[in-house]
Amino acid sequence: DADVTQTPRNRITKTGKRIMLECSQTKGHDRMYWYRQDPGLGLRLIYYSFDVKDINKGEISDGYSVSRQAQAKFSLSLESAIPNQTALYFCATSDGPSNQPQHFGDGTRLSIL
Amino acid sequence: RKEVEQDPGPFNVPEGATVAFNCTYSNSASQSFFWYRQDCRKEPKLLMSVYSSGNEDGRFTAQLNRASQYISLLIRDSKLSDSATYLCVVTFYNQGGKLIFGQGTELSVKP
Repeated sequence: DADVTQTPRNRITKTGKRIMLECSQTKGHDRMYWYRQDPGLGLRLIYYSFDVKDINKGEISDGYSVSRQAQAKFSLSLESAIPNQTALYFCATSDGPSNQPQHFGDGTRLSIL
Repeated sequence: RKEVEQDPGPFNVPEGATVAFNCTYSNSASQSFFWYRQDCRKEPKLLMSVYSSGNEDGRFTAQLNRASQYISLLIRDSKLSDSATYLCVVTFYNQGGKLIFGQGTELSVKP
């Protein structure tokens, strides 16, 4: 089983719909992150959480919200999806110290029509 | 200017070639450095951390130059399986340890 699991893996939806992407991890890491990836732009941080009571905006948080339901779960919501949110979304986790690498889920391909 | 910049490539090289990637960062409050590998829009995976004294892992060598604010990755004896996008990643003390990704350098190794 994967250590970092994202659901769904693929989603096609329409403009204006509410979408939730879920991430769960079995690594026991405190820190969790949501990124989006677009061609030519690399990975951009949307939100991150260093523990259950900690939520921080990343580089591109507008139009997104998150919930850290438990140490192992971190969900990303698009309240009213728009076409330019079409992207590949990754969840990642890391251990406490900042010099530790991140471990990524398989990604969610999201298309907004 | 982006905080972490890489040549996007693509680098097209024959099998057996040696190839080097550079990555520059703009924030002197740098903390940790990594190279990740990403295959064909799959998830990024850690290739190696980069240490101040430089480090080697098989055919891969990573170097850090803090004075000039760049890191490098050298791949010797390229294999077809090395074809991927290589991501330079830096964390900064003054950004709470968040990872900042470069846009990636694409490598294609041909027979």
